[in-house]
Amino acid sequence: GAVVSQHPSWVICKSGTSVKIECRSLDFQATTMFWYRQFPKQSLMLMATSNEGSKATYEQGVEKDKFLINHASLTLSTLTVTSAHPEDSSFYICSASPGGSYEQYFGPGTRLTVT
Amino acid sequence: GDSVTQMEGPVTLSEEAFLTINCTYTATGYPSLFWYVQYPGEGLQLLLKATKADDKGSNKGFEATYRKETTSFHLEKGSVQVSDSAVYFCAQKGNQGGKLIFGQGTELSVKP
Repeated sequence: GAVVSQHPSWVICKSGTSVKIECRSLDFQATTMFWYRQFPKQSLMLMATSNEGSKATYEQGVEKDKFLINHASLTLSTLTVTSAHPEDSSFYICSASPGGSYEQYFGPGTRLTVT
Repeated sequence: GDSVTQMEGPVTLSEEAFLTINCTYTATGYPSLFWYVQYPGEGLQLLLKATKADDKGSNKGFEATYRKETTSFHLEKGSVQVSDSAVYFCAQKGNQGGKLIFGQGTELSVKP
């Protein structure tokens, strides 16, 4: 149980375009979802926390107009990177927490390459 | 602020060697502590956890003890296997609205 999927697993896009990454909790309802960014050989940096039906809370330094997060249902959150640039290339990982639990279950990640 | 510091990698060991990956934390309260493992090309998986002082988390031969006096949560395994090759992350979760704070990760490479 407690499986989280991400789609796509990797994506290449051209500079200036937008790309959407989906995060789904497959066998539980996730009241809270988290989006992280991981640079090569570095730690995970929390970008934002989203609760179902409300606006995401962004960490300091993360542009909310560039990284749009939607948590429209208890099983789906999306991260849209708008007007992507090469410096946005990274590994994006989501995690999800069931209601009433502090456990976070992580997705397999999405590798974004912006050319 | 709250933080987690891990020993730098990469760590290279021979199969059946003893493993220690050091982890220390700073926190204003009494956080829960975690070790996550990330295999190549995959997301993080929870390896073990401890929620209070002197707790020992264990899983798959790995163990770590929550030491409040030294603010440490070192990961150990008595005999590593090639399949243990991965990046290991120490993390804490305290009183900051549910956020996990990760260390920088330690890459482990086990040679046959």
